[in-house]
Amino acid sequence: RKEVEQDPGPFNVPEGATVAFNCTYSNSASQSFFWYRQDCRKEPKLLMSVYSSGNEDGRFTAQLNRASQYISLLIRDSKLSDSATYLCVVNLSHLSGGYNKLIFGAGTRLAVHP
Amino acid sequence: NAGVTQTPKFQVLKTGQSMTLQCAQDMNHNSMYWYRQDPGMGLRLIYYSASEGTTDKGEVPNGYNVSRLNKREFSLRLESAAPSQTSVYFCASTDRGLSTEAFFGQGTRLTVV
Repeated sequence: RKEVEQDPGPFNVPEGATVAFNCTYSNSASQSFFWYRQDCRKEPKLLMSVYSSGNEDGRFTAQLNRASQYISLLIRDSKLSDSATYLCVVNLSHLSGGYNKLIFGAGTRLAVHP
Repeated sequence: NAGVTQTPKFQVLKTGQSMTLQCAQDMNHNSMYWYRQDPGMGLRLIYYSASEGTTDKGEVPNGYNVSRLNKREFSLRLESAAPSQTSVYFCASTDRGLSTEAFFGQGTRLTVV
């Protein structure tokens, strides 16, 4: 079983739509969680960290459910510029002496159309 | 502030040739990583170096070797390239701290023919 699994996508949505991405992770001792964004043929960049209490950054809301080992990302009022691949990331620092060890999901591609 | 610098950006190798991908970071980060990305596969961890002087295998280490030369530099070597190693390779670094951001190089597009 993969450490991090995501919806395969792609998601094709019109501008203004709300879209949700899901992610599950297998290691219950995972320490921290993130969503990264990757544009075509570019390097991934941090979108937001995910906290147990849930957190919001503008149109983006991230949720974490440790009991279910489930992470989500909600994008409201989608823009054309949101088109990208969204990568779920889990930190297995407990397996590397407290140093960060980041494991990426396969990513979910989002295409927002006019 | 350059961040993470990878070289080369593009490379074509013949099967059996060897090469080293170079990575350097100027952020004084402890941990460095090498990932490969194939279509539909996301980023898969090849090797990582939690701190200077240590290296550990990731998910797909076969066919690769690494060297953490110093705190700044982490190189990836393909001793005998195979077509299955055609991929985009990313180097990344992180500081200590659970919520630290990972910074990536721009990637190396490697084709093995």
